[in-house]
Amino acid sequence: GENVEQHPSTLSVQEGDSAVIKCTYSDSASNYFPWYKQELGKGPQLIIDIRSNVGEKKDQRIAVTLNKTAKHFSLHITETQPEDSAVYFCAASYGNNRLAFGKGNQVVVIP
Amino acid sequence: DTGVSQDPRHKITKRGQNVTFRCDPISEHNRLYWYRQTLGQGPEFLTYFQNEAQLEKSRLLSDRFSAERPKGSFSTLEIQRTEQGDSAMYLCASSLTDRDFLYEQYFGPGTRLTVT
Repeated sequence: GENVEQHPSTLSVQEGDSAVIKCTYSDSASNYFPWYKQELGKGPQLIIDIRSNVGEKKDQRIAVTLNKTAKHFSLHITETQPEDSAVYFCAASYGNNRLAFGKGNQVVVIP
Repeated sequence: DTGVSQDPRHKITKRGQNVTFRCDPISEHNRLYWYRQTLGQGPEFLTYFQNEAQLEKSRLLSDRFSAERPKGSFSTLEIQRTEQGDSAMYLCASSLTDRDFLYEQYFGPGTRLTVT
């Protein structure tokens, strides 16, 4: 099955700085890579996704890059704000029917 | 659109009891997923439905677990003879579907189960 790993497990950044979270996946057939944000006591919220036919996608302060050759993808958050503090999960598709998730990154934005 | 809803939000039960959770997906979504999430981990796939058909089950879904989606709308997840190891957040997600395309999955708020 698909194996997804995230690094680092915890990331602290000063407000206004950028945060980058990296994920690697194992299944070369994976073609869909979403990122979710989860706040305490809530379900995961889809924030951005990318498909294998695109190398980069941006939505306001959030961007995702994909390197299919190296089998890794990254989430970039610019101009971080306190409300960006949360756990972020990456995921990769496999079997065209399901997602495999990483273990999550705790992002702490220090005011 | 009110999004995916789950009920109850929290459930505390004693070991050996049966529990049932409900999920109402986004109305036009014909695919519905169940995941389990334990502390410090990402969601783990349990099973999914396309309309009323249960198409895939993870090996995590033991014989004590059963899921249904009788009319292709809401779904229930039942755990029989609960064990302390079943304590987790149970998440439901829904999506559109296409044979060759994995659509975005939208999650509900989850049901947190505590087995004492």
